[in-house]
This record gives sequence, C-alpha cells and structure tokens, in this order.
Amino acid sequence: EDQVTQSPEALRLQEGESSSLNCSYTVSGLRGLFWYRQDPGKGPEFLFTLYSAGEEKEKERLKATLTKKESFLHITAPKPEDSATYLCAVQPPYNTDKLIFGTGTRLQVFP
Amino acid sequence: KAGVTQTPRYLIKTRGQQVTLSCSPISGHRSVSWYQQTPGQGLQFLFEYFSETQRNKGNFPGRFSGRQFSNSRSEMNVSTLELGDSALYLCASSLPTQGVREQFFGPGTRLTVL
Repeated sequence: EDQVTQSPEALRLQEGESSSLNCSYTVSGLRGLFWYRQDPGKGPEFLFTLYSAGEEKEKERLKATLTKKESFLHITAPKPEDSATYLCAVQPPYNTDKLIFGTGTRLQVFP
Repeated sequence: KAGVTQTPRYLIKTRGQQVTLSCSPISGHRSVSWYQQTPGQGLQFLFEYFSETQRNKGNFPGRFSGRQFSNSRSEMNVSTLELGDSALYLCASSLPTQGVREQFFGPGTRLTVL
C-alpha cells in the first residue's frame, strides 16, 4: 500500500537554529514528490516538486532534497514567520492527480 | 492570476442534513480534486474530475459525491451528514499536462456538523 510518513510530528526551534524535516515514502513508482506549507485554517501552499533521486530545489531559507526512498526539507536559519505545518505528498505513477499525504510536521520557531 | 476559490468558507449543519460545497479552479486548469482534512486522519483524497468525468475516487462512502461542469467548476455533495464529517474540505486544481501535475489548493470550506 502506498504510504507517506513524516517525522518528527512536531519541532520547536530557536530563531536561527537550522534543522531538517523528513518524509519517507513507499509507493510503486513515483511520479513526483511535493512539499506544501499550511498555516492554521488555510489551504496548503505549494512549495516544491521533486521528480527524481538526487534532485534539489531551494526557496529562500528552504531546501528540498530527494533520494529513492525519502525526502528532506532543510530549514536554514529559520525565522518565526516560518512557523507552520509542512506537508509532504507523493503522486502515484498512474494517470491521476491524486496526492497521498503524510500527516505533516508542525514547526514552531521562537524568537 | 486568481487562485482557487471555495464557497462557502464556513458551514454549520446538523446530523442528517445534506450540504453542497463549491470550487472554482484557477483559470486554465481543467482538473479538480477534493480532499478531506481532519486532525486524526490528515488529508485524505476524495475524488478528482477532469472534463466533467470522475477520473479517480478515494475510499469514502457513497454519501460523498461530486460533479464538474463544462467551465471546470466543481461541486461536492455530502448527504445524510454525520458528526464525523466535520472537517476542512479542500479543493485543488491542476493543468491538464502529461507527467507530474502540480496541484494548487483553495482556502477550504470548514464544515461543522452538530
């Protein structure tokens, strides 16, 4: 069964303290892996798409990487405004838009 | 470019009632997917529509249904509401491209069933 697991469930960081979020997946053929950011009461905001192992993408303080079985979201020198839930999702190989989501990592960054 | 819009943003219903939620995709996007988000289960796929046809369906009871119109707008309906249907219902749209299709989400409709 296709599955996505994110860790840790929650993460508290001091402003400027870099860290990484993990997303491991088991899916029979990966078409794409996605990272989203979600603020309370809002819809997920698209961050990155990763297609193949070895790929990396960056946006401001965030960098996403992909291996054959997992992805990492690295947060460098975070600020309080980076506080949110970060969601990882995979898209199966067949003709569908369906995304299989992990349960997310709730990040809190304190000044 | 306007994003995905969903109406209404908030709904309060009682058990046994039915509800209809609406979603307007980003201009040019022809595929619409629906998800249910709850604290316990996270984001769960409901169904997706492309060119007015349901292309895929998640593991939800038949009380959950949807449709898509010729202008790509979509509605989902939940009949005989149960307390467990209280959730944030999210709509996402994507371009009709081959390969990986990035999905962009709306703000959601918060449904509370009393």
